[in-house]
Amino acid sequence: DADVTQTPRNRITKTGKRIMLECSQTKGHDRMYWYRQDPGLGLRLIYYSFDVKDINKGEISDGYSVSRQAQAKFSLSLESAIPNQTALYFCATSDGTGSGDEQFFGPGTRLTVL
Amino acid sequence: SQQGEEDPQALSIQEGENATMNCSYKTSINNLQWYRQNSGRGLVHLILIRSNEREKHSGRLRVTLDTSKKSSSLLITASRAADTASYFCATDSGGFQKLVFGTGTRLLVSP
Repeated sequence: DADVTQTPRNRITKTGKRIMLECSQTKGHDRMYWYRQDPGLGLRLIYYSFDVKDINKGEISDGYSVSRQAQAKFSLSLESAIPNQTALYFCATSDGTGSGDEQFFGPGTRLTVL
Repeated sequence: SQQGEEDPQALSIQEGENATMNCSYKTSINNLQWYRQNSGRGLVHLILIRSNEREKHSGRLRVTLDTSKKSSSLLITASRAADTASYFCATDSGGFQKLVFGTGTRLLVSP
């Protein structure tokens, strides 16, 4: 079974709708991240959380909000979706204990805002 | 803003050849990581090199880091069709695992 899962995998929505993307992990990691990827660009950080009580804005947080419901769950919300939020969204986790600095990514959610 | 710029943007080679990708970055770093992404899928971590290291190997991968030039290279030796993917460098500047990704190199390995 996948260590980092994302739901939904694909979503088409309309401008102005509220939408939530969910991420769950079974790796036991404290640190979780949300990125978006646009064609021809690398990943850009939206929000990150180092534990349940810690939420931080990333490079491109405007128009997004997050909730860390538990160590294993980190959800991303678009309060009022707009077309330029059409992108591929990735959740990632990392250990944070110093044993390894790599991040582990989910399979992604392809979001289309019409 | 992107920290890393990768070069070339796209690379097409034959199986068995070596592939070299370069990454340049702007600020001082704690470590630099390379990731692979198969079309439209999640990224997979390949290798990490710390700022006090100059070279690192993992299987067919060789990574170098030149902090004076703020650049890194990824060499894939004896490439295979299965190596076809996009490759991204990512830098950790603050030591908090908050990565900044480059724009990626698309590698196509033909049989």
